[in-house]
Amino acid sequence: EAGVAQSPRYKIIEKRQSVAFWCNPISGHATLYWYQQILGQGPKLLIQFQNNGVVDDSQLPKDRFSAERLKGVDSTLKIQPAKLEDSAVYLCASSLVRGGDTGELFFGEGSRLTVL
Amino acid sequence: AQSVSQHNHHVILSEAASLELGCNYSYGGTVNLFWYVQYPGQHLQLLLKYFSGDPLVKGIKGFEAEFIKSKFSFNLRKPSVQWSDTAEYFCAVTIYNQGGKLIFGQGTELSVKP
Repeated sequence: EAGVAQSPRYKIIEKRQSVAFWCNPISGHATLYWYQQILGQGPKLLIQFQNNGVVDDSQLPKDRFSAERLKGVDSTLKIQPAKLEDSAVYLCASSLVRGGDTGELFFGEGSRLTVL
Repeated sequence: AQSVSQHNHHVILSEAASLELGCNYSYGGTVNLFWYVQYPGQHLQLLLKYFSGDPLVKGIKGFEAEFIKSKFSFNLRKPSVQWSDTAEYFCAVTIYNQGGKLIFGQGTELSVKP
């Protein structure tokens, strides 16, 4: 079975520029998550989708971050404008149902963002 | 706010040594508990999980974890580590019936010397 696909794997931008990350979850997975992992820290949830609806975006910095999951499949996470502190790995994960009810979140390899 | 604490940031062991990684969480209600592992250059993957029942759970590759409710702990153990166990280990928690959001600890990097 194909895993969670993310692109790009690496991105370097200047501060105040914009960037977008793309995620294709495992086929049939209803729930999709975006996590931010800053170096030396554990992943922190940014946003959770159930199909194409937002379940939790309480930790998403909405003044600069946005995410969408059109048609309940692929998802895009955008940062505009980027700040130095946004340097991190952005992880996408998916699960068949709500991940905490089964424990099985499947993670992509992540998109590493460096903001200069 | 709910949080997860992992006691060690970096652990260095020789092969065949025993491993115990500490994890504590702060929440008094019902939780689901997990350990995830990230091998170098790979994605995060589930190592083991606890929902209910026997507090001693076994996962892949000889790992096990014990849930001690009175101590709010879920420590990971392995009797004899191998060089291939070199990885970063994350403890995580979900609050029962609250949408499945995983709350991660900061991770413990394990280096096993051959």
